[in-house]
Amino acid sequence: ENVLTQSPAIMSASLGEKVTMSCRASSSVNYMYWYQQKSDASPKLWIYYTSNLAPGVPARFSGSGSGNSYSLTISSMEGEDAATYYCQQFTSSPLTFGAGTKLELK
Amino acid sequence: QVQLQQSGAELVRPGTSVKISCKASGYAFTNYWLGWVKQRPGHGLEWIGDIYPGSGNTYYNEKFKGKATLTADKSSSTAYMQLSSLTSEDSAVYFCAMTTATYYFDYWGQGTTLTVSS
Repeated sequence: ENVLTQSPAIMSASLGEKVTMSCRASSSVNYMYWYQQKSDASPKLWIYYTSNLAPGVPARFSGSGSGNSYSLTISSMEGEDAATYYCQQFTSSPLTFGAGTKLELK
Repeated sequence: QVQLQQSGAELVRPGTSVKISCKASGYAFTNYWLGWVKQRPGHGLEWIGDIYPGSGNTYYNEKFKGKATLTADKSSSTAYMQLSSLTSEDSAVYFCAMTTATYYFDYWGQGTTLTVSS
């Protein structure tokens, strides 16, 4: 199976700070998908087809990457962005998720 | 709007089975794949499998074959996941999620907490 490794596992950022988190795939993928999950809530689709923002996602978010390496960036951290972010692939079966990056407000 | 309403929390004995439901509304239930995802603390998210309610076709993660059985009732727009031979390893939150594009999940249910304990 295609293992997705997210880094860092935990990070903190101040309001207004730029944030970048990484997702590396053990095998090349065509696209990466990202979800945001807050405590005791369901995951929400956040970015699809690597760089497209899901409806309602603020424009300060962006996604990029290709092959084995992908990233999610927040241009300017806001309090509501504190959450866990998971990457996901389905280029090959089984569909797999990364272990998540927990983003905290500093 | 798309809604996926899951059944309530379950407390069950080891060795038994449980059936979790996911009632869909706000879209054409038979026209989109619906998947199931397991979440345990420290184990992240795991894809269990998908079902296409229109045909009943299913697609499983090999890891969950024999453990999970996915079905769907078109008349009530409800999908079901039965988990068998339960152990403590099956204690988790289970989500149903709908995909409009096969490769990712657009909409998620609120989750069903399963606790397996004697």
